[in-house]
Amino acid sequence: AQKVTQAQTEISVVEKEDVTLDCVYETRDTTYYLFWYKQPPSGELVFLIRRNSFDEQNEISGRYSWNFQKSTSSFNFTITASQVVDSAVYFCALSDSMNSGYSTLTFGKGTMLLVSP
Amino acid sequence: DVKVTQSSRYLVKRTGEKVFLECVQDMDHENMFWYRQDPGLGLRLIYFSYDVKMKEKGDIPEGYSVSREKKERFSLILESASTNQTSMYLCASTPGQYYEQYFGPGTRLTVT
Repeated sequence: AQKVTQAQTEISVVEKEDVTLDCVYETRDTTYYLFWYKQPPSGELVFLIRRNSFDEQNEISGRYSWNFQKSTSSFNFTITASQVVDSAVYFCALSDSMNSGYSTLTFGKGTMLLVSP
Repeated sequence: DVKVTQSSRYLVKRTGEKVFLECVQDMDHENMFWYRQDPGLGLRLIYFSYDVKMKEKGDIPEGYSVSREKKERFSLILESASTNQTSMYLCASTPGQYYEQYFGPGTRLTVT
């Protein structure tokens, strides 16, 4: 069955530190997509990135970067020079077609990031 | 911008009541989803719908039902609310398979 593991329950850093959030996934599908979402204290999940299983190129967007490695089934998320506004719960998710043939999202349990001034 | 709205941000109901949670999206998305979010458990899929009047069970459908009479609206129904259904409920929509899901603000339901 598909599974997403975010081993870090909570991470605390001081502003301007770099921080990496780990994500390890399991799936038997050859076609799948990986996602990261941010849930700030307001509660609404915000989409950050989608990556398909055939594209292993790393991606950078401002202070955010993602490292996808199929060999280790990992899709890690790094925030460079963290800021207080980065404080949130971050979810990694996997979309495949194992559930009734329709693609659904399987979420990890989330990593709470606390950035202090 | 995609907009997913949910009927209430906070809701308090009594055990045994019938509860309706409404979700509306304005982007003509095919697929809609209901999740519940609990501390330490992440988001778990309750039901989803890939077309009007169609529904599929997710990982934890017990105690819930859904209705999708119109494309833009997806309702979650608790036939007889119980205290273990106290949770945050999140609705989401997506235009098709493998696309990102857009989430509503959530409804925090308390059953007393």
